[in-house]
Amino acid sequence: GAGVSQSPRYKVAKRGQDVALRCDPISGHVSLFWYQQALGQGPEFLTYFQNEAQLDKSGLPSDRFFAERPEGSVSTLKIQRTQQEDSAVYLCASSLVGQGQHFGDGTRLSIL
Amino acid sequence: KNQVEQSPQSLIILEGKNCTLQCNYTVSPFSNLRWYKQDTGRGPVSLTIMTFSENTKSNGRYTATLDADTKQSSLHITASQLSDSASYICVVTLSNDYKLSFGAGTTVTVRA
Repeated sequence: GAGVSQSPRYKVAKRGQDVALRCDPISGHVSLFWYQQALGQGPEFLTYFQNEAQLDKSGLPSDRFFAERPEGSVSTLKIQRTQQEDSAVYLCASSLVGQGQHFGDGTRLSIL
Repeated sequence: KNQVEQSPQSLIILEGKNCTLQCNYTVSPFSNLRWYKQDTGRGPVSLTIMTFSENTKSNGRYTATLDADTKQSSLHITASQLSDSASYICVVTLSNDYKLSFGAGTTVTVRA
């Protein structure tokens, strides 16, 4: 498809485990964003990439969260030593520079 | 304090009826204001976008208004359909910034 693709759609992990969430942006989109969305809330900014450069990671809640986009296309959000408060939907969005963001359907992460 | 406040938090309407959702923001200066529709388990999809100088924008049965002086926006849904059941999120983009300020959303339930 031509949209933003995220995988897995659902992830269940035990507290303390590491998880990796993948985002395939729209081809040609330079900008890529990660958001965390708690139940009943709007998305909260986590981090921003322009090509392979992570220009802003001010929204990452702790040093357990790490994001990368090594080749300027696919991005991975990694959460180490997961905790229950990490349970949320993680949304990825991509865009051309300065243009509107297109969102994926998210990964719903549940930490037991 | 969230810079984008939405009301009501949720509402229930009968199929065929109209409804209006409200958004108040303090973000300034802003580049544009968007309304997104987010179906359960899906990512947000843009419905309308308005710049500072625009007062109204329509997309089918959805009509958004913007009053930049009072920093208020509304989304009016006409002749609601069951498929309109979703969360509607007001999003403001700061000028010269890539970051989006999200409201918490209004959950609309349309009943037959």
